[in-house]
Amino acid sequence: GQNIDQPTEMTATEGAIVQINCTYQTSGFNGLFWYQQHAGEAPTFLSYNVLDGLEEKGRFSSFLSRSKGYSYLLLKELQMKDSASYLCAVMDSNYQLIWGAGTKLIIKP
Amino acid sequence: GAVVSQHPSWVICKSGTSVKIECRSLDFQATTMFWYRQFPKQSLMLMATSNEGSKATYEQGVEKDKFLINHASLTLSTLTVTSAHPEDSSFYICSLLSGLSYNEQFFGPGTRLTVL
Repeated sequence: GQNIDQPTEMTATEGAIVQINCTYQTSGFNGLFWYQQHAGEAPTFLSYNVLDGLEEKGRFSSFLSRSKGYSYLLLKELQMKDSASYLCAVMDSNYQLIWGAGTKLIIKP
Repeated sequence: GAVVSQHPSWVICKSGTSVKIECRSLDFQATTMFWYRQFPKQSLMLMATSNEGSKATYEQGVEKDKFLINHASLTLSTLTVTSAHPEDSSFYICSLLSGLSYNEQFFGPGTRLTVL
């Protein structure tokens, strides 16, 4: 079966760095996405990785290792507004997204 | 990126009534739109894939006669929840894929349905 695993909840301090991991097992691979979702709102796109390596976009970076079925989202210089759920999703061979359950990130002052 | 709107943003209805949710692509012609449902504190669950001009493809366990999807044009897809019940109360989100590369998905703002 297809499976996406990520931690349920993480806590970090304002100004610090946090890494949210995601491991996956899917039928085929056409890219991995990270989304941010604030409570009561639709997800917003953060990053897309299809090749191995690190993609940096401002305070957020995303890493992919296809051979290990592993990705992480790195958030630097954390701000209170970064408190949200972070969803990892993999696009399978049928171009359908398989979603993780999301990681709730709590930022403390 | 593409702009996607949903209407209404929230709706409260009585049990047994039907509710129609519209999903519009404001600046992009989308041949494929997706409908998701999200219960509190849970992940997004794909309900169906809506293809312009053809029948929607429903995920296992989703009743196609209860959740009617119509993708009548390249910019509009509708989801009708028929004979709604309290267990249908949820956050419904539509999305569309951008172009041929399929490497970005744009979400509507969501519709919160509460069935009394």
